[in-house]
Amino acid sequence: GAGVSQTPSNKVTEKGKYVELRCDPISGHTALYWYRQSLGQGPEFLIYFQGTGAADDSGLPNDRFFAVRPEGSVSTLKIQRTERGDSAVYLCASSLTSGPWEQFFGPGTRLTVL
Amino acid sequence: KNEVEQSPQNLTAQEGEFITINCSYSVGISALHWLQQHPGGGIVSLFMLSSGKKKHGRLIATINIQEKHSSLHITASHPRDSAVYICAGDSGSARQLTFGSGTQLTVLP
Repeated sequence: GAGVSQTPSNKVTEKGKYVELRCDPISGHTALYWYRQSLGQGPEFLIYFQGTGAADDSGLPNDRFFAVRPEGSVSTLKIQRTERGDSAVYLCASSLTSGPWEQFFGPGTRLTVL
Repeated sequence: KNEVEQSPQNLTAQEGEFITINCSYSVGISALHWLQQHPGGGIVSLFMLSSGKKKHGRLIATINIQEKHSSLHITASHPRDSAVYICAGDSGSARQLTFGSGTQLTVLP
């Protein structure tokens, strides 16, 4: 079956612009996670969805970051007024449900803010 | 704060060698994941374990709950095993992962 997909694979934008990153989880997976990986570092948690609701958004760095999952499937991570420090690979993962389940990762979106 | 520390940061081995990567974690982490990341960013889950030992092919993962320590072993290493290996602990109601810094493994032919 299809794995987790993310689009675009690469996004280059200018400082101050708005960007949207999309994640399409594995069908039937109710839990969806966004992580951010800066160069040379391990990923860091941003936000978690169980179904349609953001159950934990404690990892979002500031209010320029927002994510939605309106129908409990596809999720969009939105970044306003991008800054150079937002440049990173944004990873999405899904799992069957919350709990000690294996997380399946998408290929990531590489965001570069010039 | 949940923490995960792994060592070594870099590891170079000759083909055929037995490899061990170590991971220590803090209180509050209930399951430990071992992940593999190849150049280009793709992350693949290798193991998830909360007790004992798991084996898949040449890969073995162990966990000692009392000592809060886990190891990933690769037997008969091969150049195609070259990748970044990351341990991550899951915790909290959301089970979000807290990642270690990764071990860059290079296996030379």
